[in-house]
Amino acid sequence: GAGVSQSPRYKVAKRGQDVALRCDPISGHVSLFWYQQALGQGPEFLTYFQNEAQLDKSGLPSDRFFAERPEGSVSTLKIQRTQQEDSAVYLCASSVGGDGYTFGSGTRLTVV
Amino acid sequence: EDQVTQSPEALRLQEGESSSLNCSYTVSGLRGLFWYRQDPGKGPEFLFTLYSAGEEKEKERLKATLTKKESFLHITAPKPEDSATYLCAVQEEYGQNFVFGPGTRLSVLP
Repeated sequence: GAGVSQSPRYKVAKRGQDVALRCDPISGHVSLFWYQQALGQGPEFLTYFQNEAQLDKSGLPSDRFFAERPEGSVSTLKIQRTQQEDSAVYLCASSVGGDGYTFGSGTRLTVV
Repeated sequence: EDQVTQSPEALRLQEGESSSLNCSYTVSGLRGLFWYRQDPGKGPEFLFTLYSAGEEKEKERLKATLTKKESFLHITAPKPEDSATYLCAVQEEYGQNFVFGPGTRLSVLP
């Protein structure tokens, strides 16, 4: 597609519920990042993939967070047993390599 | 640990009133400094990458400059459509991820 597509755009989850957030990167983009953005803050790094390999997951805040990219294209960020502090916008970005990173519009997660 | 701060936190300008946004950074080795624009409800949109001290880049009413410790985003004769949050981010020499600052929220009044 023309851009990075994320779904759903909005998600309301009850505390304790599991959620899955999807990212469709630009076709052919090798690198894929997930970021978490709290209200009024800059994005914070969660994890990085190069093709299907997860090369860096140092930003995942707890073992409740899990990301995968099994075929090197679509990626899913899963959050188990959601808590209120997980409420944020989750952004996905992709790149062919180099510095041309394109961000999606994000998924706004609200945990109630 | 890499650190990025931005000032001011918020800035209100009249249309045509030029100003500058500051990004101060601490990084062990800089691969690149990036400026992004973010509109409400959207993801960051790439503006510039700067790689070395002394480098400058321009795009329409925006000009970004870089020193060894900070970067400035100069806005000349801004228009209301320039209203957005401007984010600065650094990428380490041997890393992949970006470290973002908190952003400057710019409002340009007609």
